[in-house]
Amino acid sequence: QKEVEQNSGPLSVPEGAIASLNCTYSDRGSQSFFWYRQYSGKSPELIMSIYSNGDKEDGRFTAQLNKASQYVSLLIRDSQPSDSATYLCAVNTYPNFGNEKLTFGTGTRLTIIP
Amino acid sequence: DGGITQSPKYLFRKEGQNVTLSCEQNLNHDAMYWYRQDPGQGLRLIYYSQIVNDFQKGDIAEGYSVSREKKESFPLTVTSAQKNPTAFYLCASSIDLWAQPSEAFFGQGTRLTVV
Repeated sequence: QKEVEQNSGPLSVPEGAIASLNCTYSDRGSQSFFWYRQYSGKSPELIMSIYSNGDKEDGRFTAQLNKASQYVSLLIRDSQPSDSATYLCAVNTYPNFGNEKLTFGTGTRLTIIP
Repeated sequence: DGGITQSPKYLFRKEGQNVTLSCEQNLNHDAMYWYRQDPGQGLRLIYYSQIVNDFQKGDIAEGYSVSREKKESFPLTVTSAQKNPTAFYLCASSIDLWAQPSEAFFGQGTRLTVV
């Protein structure tokens, strides 16, 4: 089982609709969860972080965390063509005692259709 | 102007050569990371360091080496033992993974090509 799993897509969403991106993780001890956006040929850009169960909203973005079910999701409301990118889920994991690392999923490619 | 600087942006390596990728940050972050990204793939962790003079192997450390002599700097050497080094290399840093918030921020990346 991969440490962080995402549907690779591509996910196509009409402009103005809600895009929903999902991520599951395997380490029950994980405490920090992040969503990054990556445009083609560019480095990842942090768009959301979440640490507690529930929803966290920032503008058109909402991150949702459910630790019991070990999943984290990202909703993008009123999707715009500029939201077309690959979205990476990242989770802190513990390879062994005293060490902590940031593990990424393979990313979901999102395309907003005008 | 705070941030993470990677250099060079593009790098060409001949077969059998070692090359060193530079990563410098002025954010006063304790933790630093190196990731590799292949076309259409996610980020795979090469090495990470949570404190000066200490670093840990990630998931794909073979053929790579690092040092962390200063808080600001975490250079990555791609050795001749790395059989498929052509990739996009990303350096990141965060305050401290033990703290919250612990967001990691990335440099602009180095695109390495073997010729």
